[in-house]
Amino acid sequence: QKEVEQNSGPLSVPEGAIASLNCTYSDRGSQSFFWYRQYSGKSPELIMSIYSNGDKEDGRFTAQLNKASQYVSLLIRDSQPSDSATYLCAVINSSASKIIFGSGTRLSIRP
Amino acid sequence: EAGVAQSPRYKIIEKRQSVAFWCNPISGHATLYWYQQILGQGPKLLIQFQNNGVVDDSQLPKDRFSAERLKGVDSTLKIQPAKLEDSAVYLCASSLSEQETQYFGPGTRLLVL
Repeated sequence: QKEVEQNSGPLSVPEGAIASLNCTYSDRGSQSFFWYRQYSGKSPELIMSIYSNGDKEDGRFTAQLNKASQYVSLLIRDSQPSDSATYLCAVINSSASKIIFGSGTRLSIRP
Repeated sequence: EAGVAQSPRYKIIEKRQSVAFWCNPISGHATLYWYQQILGQGPKLLIQFQNNGVVDDSQLPKDRFSAERLKGVDSTLKIQPAKLEDSAVYLCASSLSEQETQYFGPGTRLLVL
């Protein structure tokens, strides 16, 4: 089992709809969770961080964390073509010593 | 605030040659990371520094890769000798501390022929 798992996609969503990206992790004691966006040929940039159970909203983005089920998700409302990118889930493990990235989900917003 | 700087941006070498990458983190950031990102995969941590000390280098192929962060600021990553499978983007990131948000540099794209 990979430490951080994501569906590689591509996930195709019509413009204006909600895009839902999911990530599961194996270390039950993990405390810090991040979503990064990476455009093709560019470096990752942080979208959201979340540390406690529940939802965290920032503009069109909502991160959801469920530690009991060991998953974290990212919702993008009113999807725009500019949201087309690879979304990386990252988790800091329970010993707080290492950040582990998933392989990313490629999202495509179709007009 | 200036971001993380990396150079060179691109490098093409032949296998068995050596190569070095440079990273200048955001001012005041104590933690510095080097990642390898192979096409289609997420970044894989190679080495993590806290100031000038190594925190984690468990995934660094130490027979060919080396890294240093003298004076706790700039860092260099070296590969000697390079192999074909080292072709990847090498990302440097920095953060205020281990638990804080990481900010990535533009990366160095390495092609080994």
